[in-house]
Amino acid sequence: AQSVTQLDSHVSVSEGTPVLLRCNYSSSYSPSLFWYVQHPNKGLQLLLKYTSAATLVKGINGFEAEFKKSETSFHLTKPSAHMSDAAEYFCVVSNPSGTYKYIFGTGTRLKVLA
Amino acid sequence: GAGVSQTPSNKVTEKGKYVELRCDPISGHTALYWYRQSLGQGPEFLIYFQGTGAADDSGLPNDRFFAVRPEGSVSTLKIQRTERGDSAVYLCASSKDRNQPQHFGDGTRLSIL
Repeated sequence: AQSVTQLDSHVSVSEGTPVLLRCNYSSSYSPSLFWYVQHPNKGLQLLLKYTSAATLVKGINGFEAEFKKSETSFHLTKPSAHMSDAAEYFCVVSNPSGTYKYIFGTGTRLKVLA
Repeated sequence: GAGVSQTPSNKVTEKGKYVELRCDPISGHTALYWYRQSLGQGPEFLIYFQGTGAADDSGLPNDRFFAVRPEGSVSTLKIQRTERGDSAVYLCASSKDRNQPQHFGDGTRLSIL
């Protein structure tokens, strides 16, 4: 069975400071992992994906995530937050060799303070 | 190019009514998924189509829910005898094939009064 735990339901940062959104996963297989962002009343947009190549994954808008198998983590980071980063972020796990359906975390709402 | 399109964007109906939600995937995408997102939660898988066939419908909550994709493109999610607990945002996603990242539409917000 697969699952995802997002450790913080809400994160607040000041504009220009680093962002860290935490995600831990559980999977019986070598997983595919994703981060998606959801702005209010909008669909989900893919930020980045990990599919067993490089463990440090770079995504759009300056975000990146590091896959750490020993810690079963896939935390999302950004060096400097921008006001436009305020949104809901979802960590997702999928089994690439079998199922295709996404298992979502409960989300982390990022607030960026001016 | 055009993304995943879902219509209507909002649907309000009375308990007991029948509703249809439509999803138009990205052209050429063979895989199509439906998810349901309740307030304050992450999306939950409902059903997956590969081409015209439902390859996995294990996420459909009960037999009031049904989905079709007759020509391998547009899909319709159908809910009979709606209940207040069906209120949620229904998201559709498509991908080139099942191993590619999924692209999501903006969703249909369904409210059952």
